[in-house]
Amino acid sequence: DTAVSQTPKYLVTQMGNDKSIKCEQNLGHDTMYWYKQDSKKFLKIMFSYNNKELIINETVPNRFSPKSPDKAHLNLHINSLELGDSAVYFCASSQESRGYNSPLHFGNGTRLTVT
Amino acid sequence: SQQGEEDPQALSIQEGENATMNCSYKTSINNLQWYRQNSGRGLVHLILIRSNEREKHSGRLRVTLDTSKKSSSLLITASRAADTASYFCATDPNYGGSQGNLIFGKGTKLSVKP
Repeated sequence: DTAVSQTPKYLVTQMGNDKSIKCEQNLGHDTMYWYKQDSKKFLKIMFSYNNKELIINETVPNRFSPKSPDKAHLNLHINSLELGDSAVYFCASSQESRGYNSPLHFGNGTRLTVT
Repeated sequence: SQQGEEDPQALSIQEGENATMNCSYKTSINNLQWYRQNSGRGLVHLILIRSNEREKHSGRLRVTLDTSKKSSSLLITASRAADTASYFCATDPNYGGSQGNLIFGKGTKLSVKP
């Protein structure tokens, strides 16, 4: 009964490949996110998405695309993988709120290694 | 520039001692949140303190917020080996009515030795 689950946990692939990471939440939250954590543990938001709006961090290359089939799922598709994409990717969700950010519920991460 | 920055970057203490971690930030905020990350796991929310609050408690956790100094501290009392983890502060920026996303610091790595 994991609240936010993402698969796979580990992903090893070669440069140039296309891969997807799946995320599902059973908390009934309206907002979902993708974060990237680098080797120095720095956590940076990539996307936030709710029923109404996709907000893209402009520093994210357009090789990264979020896809949401419904409000419980937010998958991350990555085209033409590069060495610098190696990191841990976290999915998260939160209750929608007006004017402030609610606490985030995180998945356990997907460690992506590009060789 | 980065919003929340934790201090120290690493902290090693003995079981039973108290651990204090600090967070500084730059912009106005709606709230500040603290998270814990165990090795190989996702972040877990610990506590949220609103901009109009000065102190908040949750079990062995005590958080303070000083908006005039743009700083917060997390105190863990009577630490246990299970408290070993990285601790992150996250600020909820207030852009004068426009809502931004949480901004995380780089974390403090806490090691509690039995």
